[in-house]
Amino acid sequence: KQEVTQIPAALSVPEGENLVLNCSFTDSAIYNLQWFRQDPGKGLTSLLLIQSSQREQTSGRLNASLDKSSGRSTLYIAASQPGDSATYLCAMNTGFQKLVFGTGTRLLVSP
Amino acid sequence: GAVVSQHPSRVICKSGTSVKIECRSLDFQATTMFWYRQFPKQSLMLMATSNEGSKATYEQGVEKDKFLINHASLTLSTLTVTSAHPEDSSFYICSARRTEISNQPQHFGDGTRLSIL
Repeated sequence: KQEVTQIPAALSVPEGENLVLNCSFTDSAIYNLQWFRQDPGKGLTSLLLIQSSQREQTSGRLNASLDKSSGRSTLYIAASQPGDSATYLCAMNTGFQKLVFGTGTRLLVSP
Repeated sequence: GAVVSQHPSRVICKSGTSVKIECRSLDFQATTMFWYRQFPKQSLMLMATSNEGSKATYEQGVEKDKFLINHASLTLSTLTVTSAHPEDSSFYICSARRTEISNQPQHFGDGTRLSIL
């Protein structure tokens, strides 16, 4: 069974801190991995997509890495801001565009 | 701006009512769209894959006669929850990917919160 696990489940940090969110997946035959942001009661906003042939992707203050051999991906957020508060989800695509989602990390950045 | 539009955003109705949710790709064609369900404080679970011009593919445990999917055009998929009951109350989200471009991320709608009384 394909599973995606995210640690920690919740994280609370003061503004300005750099932080790392972790994502582990069981299927090494991954096609790509995508990180999303979800605000309460809202849909998903795509943050970064990493292809299986890539090791990392960067967008602004966000950097995502992918290590297929260990089944791990990390999302690094630099200089966190209160507006970064949301739930962050990772999802693996093992082909045919079917995404398996992780359980999410609820992030709270305090002013 | 949003590239996938989902409507309605919220539905509250009585038990036994059938509810239709629309998912539109706004500026691109999508031969495949996906429907997910999310219960409170849980992650998204794929319900079915909607294929333009053919039958939808349902995930294990999802009743196809309960959740009717129609993908009649390259920009529109609909999910109808038939004879909805309180246990069907959930957050339903659709997604789509640009057909003509490979290895592109999926874009999600803003979701529909369904509450069955």
